[in-house]
Amino acid sequence: SQQGEEDPQALSIQEGENATMNCSYKTSINNLQWYRQNSGRGLVHLILIRSNEREKHSGRLRVTLDTSKKSSSLLITASRAADTASYFCATDAGYNQGGKLIFGQGTELSVKP
Amino acid sequence: NAGVMQNPRHLVRRRGQEARLRCSPMKGHSHVYWYRQLPEEGLKFMVYLQKENIIDESGMPKERFSAEFPKEGPSILRIQQVVRGDSAAYFCASSYSRDNPGGYTFGSGTRLTVV
Repeated sequence: SQQGEEDPQALSIQEGENATMNCSYKTSINNLQWYRQNSGRGLVHLILIRSNEREKHSGRLRVTLDTSKKSSSLLITASRAADTASYFCATDAGYNQGGKLIFGQGTELSVKP
Repeated sequence: NAGVMQNPRHLVRRRGQEARLRCSPMKGHSHVYWYRQLPEEGLKFMVYLQKENIIDESGMPKERFSAEFPKEGPSILRIQQVVRGDSAAYFCASSYSRDNPGGYTFGSGTRLTVV
């Protein structure tokens, strides 16, 4: 298995419901980031949480980080059809690793109207 | 601010040809990163460059692949003698510093198809 594994691989919900995606990683990190990718498009940065933070909010997004379990979760509340996309977590080991990101395999979210 | 610009958006090459992918970072950004995304997979780091320097190329295949970021102009990812397995989406990201506290800005990618 590799750094930044996510589950579930696919998630299908109705509009208005909440969507929760989980990410696990293996090595120490400086921060963890979540990105969204619409089909055939580039990645959009959603939110970054540092290793000394436990929870962060941005609009309808809530991210948690548990460094003892090496895991993170992304919660999207009151989902909309426009939230349909793939969501990736990415870990950043910081300056000594040149800032390169290690991505998970992603969760494909489908929000049905 | 036009963001990170990649071109071409789509590129078709026959086996054995060369592919050149270009990336212009955001204004003020001097750090560029290239990632490859194979079908149904997440992104994999390839190379990290600053102006005129390769900082980390640990993710680059040993043969046929090269990257540069000249003093003037865009960063170029070059793939020589392409094979079908090179078919993928190639994304470029940029940042203003190595220890980037705000996440990275990605381009829309170049989708390479080798026929």
